[in-house]
Amino acid sequence: DAGVIQSPRHEVTEMGQEVTLRCKPISGHDYLFWYRQTMMRGLELLIYFNNNVPIDDSGMPEDRFSAKMPNASFSTLKIQPSEPRDSAVYFCATCQGLGYGYTFGSGTRLTVV
Amino acid sequence: AQTVTQSQPEMSVQEAETVTLSCTYDTSENNYYLFWYKQPPSRQMILVIRQEAYKQQNATENRFSVNFQKAAKSFSLKISDSQLGDTAMYFCAFMGNSGYALNFGKGTSLLVTP
Repeated sequence: DAGVIQSPRHEVTEMGQEVTLRCKPISGHDYLFWYRQTMMRGLELLIYFNNNVPIDDSGMPEDRFSAKMPNASFSTLKIQPSEPRDSAVYFCATCQGLGYGYTFGSGTRLTVV
Repeated sequence: AQTVTQSQPEMSVQEAETVTLSCTYDTSENNYYLFWYKQPPSRQMILVIRQEAYKQQNATENRFSVNFQKAAKSFSLKISDSQLGDTAMYFCAFMGNSGYALNFGKGTSLLVTP
């Protein structure tokens, strides 16, 4: 198993541009999570899906952020328009169910200039 | 919401020595799950160890073990025979029995020196 695959690994974009982060989960893991990591705020849950359905998006900071999971093999996190304060590492993680640990992707480091 | 507190922002230990990282949490639930994750400079998040609250026996994974004190809501990680490759950020995390979100502490930066 290749694990959770995220792309791109690094993204540098200008303020105001649209950014799309991608995630391919582990097959059979029904739960998919998007986290953001910053020095100031640590690891924050943005949104999570169960069987492709968004369950909790209360962590999504603003309407500029949106996430989709069109099928069991793919999820995206989009920021439009991007702002410098969105600069962070964004992680995708998946798990099999309650009590199981997450398997994380390698993260996307986003820099908005 | 459950809170997870790691009171040691930074720690240092010499190679081959033992070190203990502290974690406390706050919850009203009786059943839940606790985890320790390691994040080396590569930034990959790696699951180190997992504990189920209803199991009294402390979890162990090779050189890594936990001291789970349910009444005190404490979940410390002990690393024995520390190795240079153990240098990383260590995060304690809580998962309640009613949801799937992991709540993370702020992390402890561990440096293993020769």
